[in-house]
Amino acid sequence: GAGVSQSPSNKVTEKGKDVELRCDPISGHTALYWYRQSLGQGLEFLIYFQGNSAPDKSGLPSDRFSAERTGGSVSTLTIQRTQQEDSAVYLCAGGTSGGDTQYFGPGTRLTVL
Amino acid sequence: GNSVTQMEGPVTLSEEAFLTINCTYTATGYPSLFWYVQYPGEGLQLLLKATKADDKGSNKGFEATYRKETTSFHLEKGSVQVSDSAVYFCALSDWNAGNMLTFGGGTRLMVKP
Repeated sequence: GAGVSQSPSNKVTEKGKDVELRCDPISGHTALYWYRQSLGQGLEFLIYFQGNSAPDKSGLPSDRFSAERTGGSVSTLTIQRTQQEDSAVYLCAGGTSGGDTQYFGPGTRLTVL
Repeated sequence: GNSVTQMEGPVTLSEEAFLTINCTYTATGYPSLFWYVQYPGEGLQLLLKATKADDKGSNKGFEATYRKETTSFHLEKGSVQVSDSAVYFCALSDWNAGNMLTFGGGTRLMVKP
């Protein structure tokens, strides 16, 4: 596609349920990043992939959060046993290997009731 | 660690006024510096960037100069328009950290006709 796509655009879930967020980066972008944008915390880095491996998971807030990437393309961010503090906009961005510019998707707005 | 500090908003200006949004950073290496913009209801877009000291990034009438001696990357525009109303984020990326972005807290700009 022409840009980074994320799905769903909005997700409302009940506390304790698992959710899966998807990111489809621009073709050829080997680096992929997940960030979270919330009112109290601003924009926070979560995890990044180079190809299918994740050299840096330091931003994941707890072990309820995990992410994977397959085929060097699509990535999924999974949040298990969601909590209300997980409510945020989850942003995905891609870039070229070694490049410093990231291209962002529109985000998934997650609301945990 | 790396950090970015930018002036808190909101900043309210009249159309055609001069804009400055201050941004300073702390980094252990030689980061690239960015300004991203988020228009209402839209995703993050790259506005401009600079990759080394004394570089000036510019786009859409906005500009910012990478000042290593003052660790600053202030955003300026000579004459703002109502359509510039948005949230502006200063950010840095560190090649040694996989180019993950560290963001400032964001500054909301409101331009009145």
